Formats: sequence, structure tokens, C-alpha cells
Amino acid sequence: GAGVSQSPSNKVTEKGKDVELRCDPISGHTALYWYRQSLGQGLEFLIYFQGNSAPDKSGLPSDRFSAERTGGSVSTLTIQRTQQEDSAVYLCASSLAGAGGYTQYFGPGTRLTVL
Amino acid sequence: KNEVEQSPQNLTAQEGEFITINCSYSVGISALHWLQQHPGGGIVSLFMLSSGKKKHGRLIATINIQEKHSSLHITASHPRDSAVYICAGDSGGGADGLTFGKGTHLIIQP
Repeated sequence: GAGVSQSPSNKVTEKGKDVELRCDPISGHTALYWYRQSLGQGLEFLIYFQGNSAPDKSGLPSDRFSAERTGGSVSTLTIQRTQQEDSAVYLCASSLAGAGGYTQYFGPGTRLTVL
Repeated sequence: KNEVEQSPQNLTAQEGEFITINCSYSVGISALHWLQQHPGGGIVSLFMLSSGKKKHGRLIATINIQEKHSSLHITASHPRDSAVYICAGDSGGGADGLTFGKGTHLIIQP
């Protein structure tokens, strides 16, 4: 079956612009995760959705970051007023359930470059 | 705060060698994920384990809950095994996501 898909695969933007990143999880997966992979910080967790709800948004790096999930499926990560330090690969993963202890399936990522 | 430490950071070996990558983790982590990332590639989940041992082909993952330690072994290593291997801790609650080790960059030379 289809895996996790993300779009765009690459995004180049100018400092100060807003960007929206999209994730399509595996059908039927109730849990969805956003992560960021950067050279300096490695892999870090951003936010988790169980269904449409994100119980804890404290992993988001700043208030310029927001995320939503609608219909228990597609999720978007929005970064407002982008900064150069936002440059990274943004990864989405989904799993069958969100209680932990389930295999997470990763999407190919969106490479964001902020000029 | 959950923590995961992985070693070695870099490992170069000859084809056919037995490879071991180690991971230790903090209290609060109840399961360990082993992930693989080829250069320029996406992340693939190899194993998720909370106890005992799992085997898939030439890959074996073990976990010792008392010692809070996990190992990934590769038998009869091959150049196509060259990749970054990442262990990641799972607190079991979902809301914390995964806590990642810094990764082991493995190169298998023919």
C-alpha cells in the first residue's frame, strides 16, 4: 500500500515568508508525528497528533510554528516569518496508534531552505 | 527529559565483518526503535522492541530493560549496509514522540 507522502519535496523561500508543509499519512493510521532533521541538531520531535488533536505543542521551536490535522488524515505544518535557522528537513511519520510502542513509518521529508 | 546515547558515532569495517552498534537510554523510555537512513535517503524503521530480541535477515536487535541498553547487530556485513543507523527511545505515551540518538555512520568497505 501507499506509504507516508509529503509535499513539497523541496522548498526554497526567502527569509520572512510563510511556508506550509503537507503530510499524508498511511490510511488508517491515527497517530501522526512531525520531526525536524538539521545538521546541527540531528533529529528532533516537533509535535504529535492523535486523531485531529495535538495534546502537547511544547515541542514546536517557536510560536512561528503551528500545525493542524483535519479529518484524522492530512496534516500541515506552517512556519510563519521564516528564519534561516528554520532550514532543515521536515519529516512526518505515522503509526497505527499513538500509545507508543508502535512502528513509525516515515515520509521522504520536505527539505526547506530559507535564504 | 528522555535521553538516548549511541555509540560509536562512526564505524568503518570490511565486508563480512560482524557489526555491533550500542544504545543506552534513560528512565522513562519503554521501547527502542532502530532506524536506518541511507545517504540522501529517507528513514526506514528496522525494529521496534520493548523486550528480548528480534531478527530480520542479517539484522538482530536486542534490548536489556534492566540495564537500559540495546544493541543492533549486523551479521555478514555488506557494502549495501552502509548507512546511518539511529536508535530512538519511545516513552510509550505517544505525545513525546521519539527521542533520537546522534546516529552511527557505518561504512562497509568491499
